[in-house]
Amino acid sequence: GDSVTQMEGPVTLSEEAFLTINCTYTATGYPSLFWYVQYPGEGLQLLLKATKADDKGSNKGFEATYRKETTSFHLEKGSVQVSDSAVYFCALKGSGNTGKLIFGQGTTLQVKP
Amino acid sequence: GAGVSQSPSNKVTEKGKDVELRCDPISGHTALYWYRQSLGQGLEFLIYFQGNSAPDKSGLPSDRFSAERTGGSVSTLTIQRTQQEDSAVYLCASSLQGTYSNYGYTFGSGTRLTVV
Repeated sequence: GDSVTQMEGPVTLSEEAFLTINCTYTATGYPSLFWYVQYPGEGLQLLLKATKADDKGSNKGFEATYRKETTSFHLEKGSVQVSDSAVYFCALKGSGNTGKLIFGQGTTLQVKP
Repeated sequence: GAGVSQSPSNKVTEKGKDVELRCDPISGHTALYWYRQSLGQGLEFLIYFQGNSAPDKSGLPSDRFSAERTGGSVSTLTIQRTQQEDSAVYLCASSLQGTYSNYGYTFGSGTRLTVV
């Protein structure tokens, strides 16, 4: 079945460091891919998405490119801030007819001043 | 409403008791999903509603779990004879369409269930 694998956390970075959180997926057909973020004490929020191969999703300085050849959707940010500290979830929506999302395990990011 | 509303936000219950968790989706959102987030785990899909019907309930862990949706709006997730392993955050999400792949969800803040 469809699945998503994320790099294990926690990831601890200093402010202004470069961030990469790896995400790979297994799916039949042509899934849509998403990154969600969960800030402390808050609900999940959609961060960015890409719906077809080579699409780049971007938001709040974060980017991720849909790479079908490597079945990956790695999240990157050039310069993290303390306010980026959160849990990040990679997810896919398969080509089935329910629209349900399959989530990775989540990666905790802690940014220190 | 402006967002997805879930109640209660926290629930502590004794093992063996039944609990009901409520989700009020964004007005007009036809698709509604329930997920479970256990400590240190990712999000586990439970059930999907399109309108009042549930075409995918494959994630419900046992027959102690059930859910319904009425009026194409509010949904209730019921857990009967709760067990300690049911302790988790139960998240509800809604979206405009379930079938088409371009819509992201809007999540509620969740109900934290603790079974003691």
